Amino acid sequence: DADVTQTPRNRITKTGKRIMLECSQTKGHDRMYWYRQDPGLGLQLIYYSFDVKDINKGEISDGYSVSRQAQAKFSLSLESAIPNQTALYFCATSDFGAGGLGDTQYFGPGTRLTVL
Amino acid sequence: EDKVVQSPLSLVVHEGDTVTLNCSYEVTNFRSLLWYKQEKKAPTFLFMLTSSGIEKKSGRLSSILDKKELFSILNITATQTGDSAVYLCAVPTGNQFYFGTGTSLTVIP
Repeated sequence: DADVTQTPRNRITKTGKRIMLECSQTKGHDRMYWYRQDPGLGLQLIYYSFDVKDINKGEISDGYSVSRQAQAKFSLSLESAIPNQTALYFCATSDFGAGGLGDTQYFGPGTRLTVL
Repeated sequence: EDKVVQSPLSLVVHEGDTVTLNCSYEVTNFRSLLWYKQEKKAPTFLFMLTSSGIEKKSGRLSSILDKKELFSILNITATQTGDSAVYLCAVPTGNQFYFGTGTSLTVIP
């Protein structure tokens, strides 16, 4: 079973719709992240969470919100989707401080979102 | 401003060639540098480097870090078509991971 899962894997929606992307992990990590990937722009950090009560904005948080429902779950919402939010979205986890390997991030399979 | 820059942006080689991918960084409180391989799916972890001059190897891939000159290289020898992918470099700093834009490698049979 995958350690980091994302649902849905693909989604097509219309401008103005509310969309939620979900991420679950079984790695027991405290830290979770949401990234978007656009061609030629690498991975850009949207939000990150160091534990259930800690939520932080990343580089490009405008137009997005998140919810950390539990240690294992971190959801990303687009309150009113717009076409330039069409991208590949990745969730990731990490466990800082774990004997030097803590900086490794583990990624989910990605959600391809298209906003028409 | 913290940043991570990769070069070249894209590379096309023939099978059997050796390639060198570059990653330079400017970050405060450097802790480590990570390399990932990304095909048409989520990035997969390759290496984590924390110390200068110590080469990490995995099969035909190797990587080394220079903390004085603030860069890392990823070498792939005897390239194969299965090496075609985007290679990402990332540097965690403080509360964030900074990713480069990636190098897109295409290996032609």
